[in-house]
Amino acid sequence: DSGVTQTPKHLITATGQRVTLRCSPRSGDLSVYWYQQSLDQGLQFLIQYYNGEERAKGNILERFSAQQFPDLHSELNLSSLELGDSALYFCASSAKTVNYGYTFGSGTRLTVV
Amino acid sequence: AQSVTQPDIHITVSEGASLELRCNYSYGATPYLFWYVQSPGQGLQLLLKYFSGDTLVQGIKGFEAEFKRSQSSFNLRKPSVHWSDAAEYFCAVDPYSTDSWGKLQFGAGTQVVVTP
Repeated sequence: DSGVTQTPKHLITATGQRVTLRCSPRSGDLSVYWYQQSLDQGLQFLIQYYNGEERAKGNILERFSAQQFPDLHSELNLSSLELGDSALYFCASSAKTVNYGYTFGSGTRLTVV
Repeated sequence: AQSVTQPDIHITVSEGASLELRCNYSYGATPYLFWYVQSPGQGLQLLLKYFSGDTLVQGIKGFEAEFKRSQSSFNLRKPSVHWSDAAEYFCAVDPYSTDSWGKLQFGAGTQVVVTP
């Protein structure tokens, strides 16, 4: 157990729907990162939050959004889902903004049908 | 353009043999360097990291990596592979620039198959 908890582990939904992925960071970590892993794009950075504030954005679609709550858990919202959004979504956390080595969660596998 | 390259998509190695996975990066300055392993259905586990100092870095599970500035490389090695080392291995780079905020750029990964 890495200490980073992601729920749900699996999600199957239809095109056009909206889903929310949840991440609880390791105790004491203030930074949360979201990554998408797909067969064609590999591992892609989506977005980072630090202590509730957005700090960096990567290849995140406008249909996707995220937030980090006061208790430091984070949610990634994916809307108007398309077949191509099917992927593994990973959350990672670290103590600060500088990367001393992330701890990754086990991921949420999203299947859009 | 900044990039991380893992030239080998797939490697097959016999149990007990040595393993070397290649990683090259293209950045203006020496970034932070990492190797992660992903077992089937699992998340990514950090094997080792390099920030500065000694260019030979020891990690978990008997892995080590060597940073070579002149070659912009950070190759991962293990002297004797176990069947449990079958997994996908990712090299990752943190540019450690003021606008990177710790985000990682990953290579495409190398799938390691271990044969008896």
